[in-house]
Amino acid sequence: EIVMTQSPATLSVSPGGRATLSCRASQSVRSSLAWFQQKPGQAPRLLIYGASTRATGIPARFSGSGSGTEFTLTISSLQSEDFAVYYCQQYINWPPWTFGQGTKVEIK
Amino acid sequence: EVQLVQSGAEVKKPGESLRISCKASGYSFTSYWISWVRQMPGKGLEWMGNIDPSDSYTKYSPSFQGHVTVSTDNSVTTAYLQWSSLKASDTAMYYCAKHSVPYDSAGYPEKWGQGTLVTVSS
Repeated sequence: EIVMTQSPATLSVSPGGRATLSCRASQSVRSSLAWFQQKPGQAPRLLIYGASTRATGIPARFSGSGSGTEFTLTISSLQSEDFAVYYCQQYINWPPWTFGQGTKVEIK
Repeated sequence: EVQLVQSGAEVKKPGESLRISCKASGYSFTSYWISWVRQMPGKGLEWMGNIDPSDSYTKYSPSFQGHVTVSTDNSVTTAYLQWSSLKASDTAMYYCAKHSVPYDSAGYPEKWGQGTLVTVSS
């Protein structure tokens, strides 16, 4: 099973600031990496798939990069609605899907 | 519009049985696998198992094999997750999710249901 490790666990950012979230895979997942946003009391929402492709309706301030074992999600100018928990997920080695433990982006 | 609408919250006692549902609409139900994902209180996401609605083929995570059953009723485009004997440790939010690739178990969960909260307590 591929283990996904996210860092940091919590990220404090000021509104309008930039957030950089990291995700590492225990072995190569090529570009089979997705990012999700989850707000309290809500289901996860797909942000990025294929490591760098934004899902339908996702604002351009969200961008993904990386391949192999190292990935990054960048939120370029944080809006109030962006404070949430973010998960990465690999889908190359399936089953099972495996998720990172999450990064909470909070208001500084 | 693709929608996955899950059944409402449940409160059960240990040892009781339960079936929760995920009603799909807006796409060809039998063309896309459906997965179930668990989220325990304050914790992350765990894939449980999935099903190909076209032939009811299922796959399970070893962590959940034998404890849950995934099924569908294609006549009502609905997927189900069921337990025959609940434990207190089954207390969690459960999500269904539609796979992104048709006719294939691969891909990522592109659309999620709103979740069903299951509470198991004596």
